[in-house]
Formats: sequence, C-alpha cells, structure tokens
Amino acid sequence: DAKTTQPTSMDCAEGRAANLPCNHSTISGNEYVYWYRQIHSQGPQYIIHGLKNNETNEMASLIITEDRKSSTLILPHATLRDTAVYYCIVRESGYSTLTFGKGTMLLVSP
Amino acid sequence: DTEVTQTPKHLVMGMTNKKSLKCEQHMGHRAMYWYKQKAKKPPELMFVYSYEKLSINESVPSRFSPECPNSSLLNLHLHALQPEDSALYLCASSQGGLPTGELFFGEGSRLTVL
Repeated sequence: DAKTTQPTSMDCAEGRAANLPCNHSTISGNEYVYWYRQIHSQGPQYIIHGLKNNETNEMASLIITEDRKSSTLILPHATLRDTAVYYCIVRESGYSTLTFGKGTMLLVSP
Repeated sequence: DTEVTQTPKHLVMGMTNKKSLKCEQHMGHRAMYWYKQKAKKPPELMFVYSYEKLSINESVPSRFSPECPNSSLLNLHLHALQPEDSALYLCASSQGGLPTGELFFGEGSRLTVL
C-alpha cells in the first residue's frame, strides 16, 4: 500500500469545521483513500472513502485533489465527541488488508 | 445488528496461563480479523480469516493461535505469553470473504500479561 503522511496533532474549536489533511503522493490508480477514526479506548470506526471524486456522508466530507496526491477530511461542525485519532489509509480496491499509519490526534475544545 | 462483540473486555494472565479471547458478529460477514494495538501506537494486523479459513498470518508467534469455528465466531487462543504481549486486541469483520471494503471493529480486549 502507498504510504500516507498526516500531521501528528491538530486542534479545533467546538462548532467549527475540522479540516484534516493527508498526503499520499505515491498513490496508484486503483487505490482508494479511506478514513477511520479511533476514539480513546474504543475500536477504530470507518468514516468515509473515495477514489477520485469528492464524497460526503452523514459523518464527513472527503475532498481529493485532482492529481490524487493529497486529500482532506472535513468534519463540518466538530463536537467534543469528535476528539479522536484520525487515520488516512490508501488501499487497493480488491484483496488488500487495512494498514494503519500513525494518524492525526484531533483535539476538539470548548 | 452492526456490532462486533469482544469478550472479555479486560484480561490479566500469567506467563504460564492459557486463555482465549472471543469475537462474535451477526452481520453475515465472511472475513474476520485480529489486530494488536500497543499503547499510543496504531493497530497492527495479526490474522485474517476468509470464509472460515486462515488466509493471512502476519508472522505472528505461535503462542497466539487463532480459530474460526464458524462464520460468526473468531477466537484467539493465548499460551505462554510474554509481558510485551500486553496490548489491546481488536477484532474486526468485513462483508464478503475478502479483506476489502469497510471493516467493523469491536471495542477490543485489553490484555495484561504479568
């Protein structure tokens, strides 16, 4: 799997948008971008994934650059419960295991 | 039911003990996984089962022995562990039989080896 680079930590004020960047400059054409998060003492939770187009679901939006070398996860109105480690993972569409990098620790403050 | 249930939540064992971790899902998923997570580190893949057969073993020591008795259950048998094996053990499942798509994780079993 291609490697990803994420900031170690980020802060966000409650109610504001949280924008979490991810660099994946060596991504190949058949690799998707996945985002998971892990709240303290819980198992990881799937958030969203995409290939080329921007994606949105009830949790977040995923913006992928046209050259696919980077992406941004957007939590539109962060709450205290969004405090977690966020993992950006690139992964083939077929037979491919999920390999976690170091992730970004997002701290949402009142 | 979109849950993956792991028991026990906490386990303390000695280096000579034999214990087991259990994982259960009723989503009809045919791929199941064990991950190990040390403190302040990302989860690391240990094993993958596809259609109840072991398909991936990430060079895990033999003191960890996985078992998939049926499509809903996954066990991890522990024997002669070392203190450095203390970690959070996470079970996950995914639809279909291949390690692809969205993974659903349990809350984990926190293991302490004395």
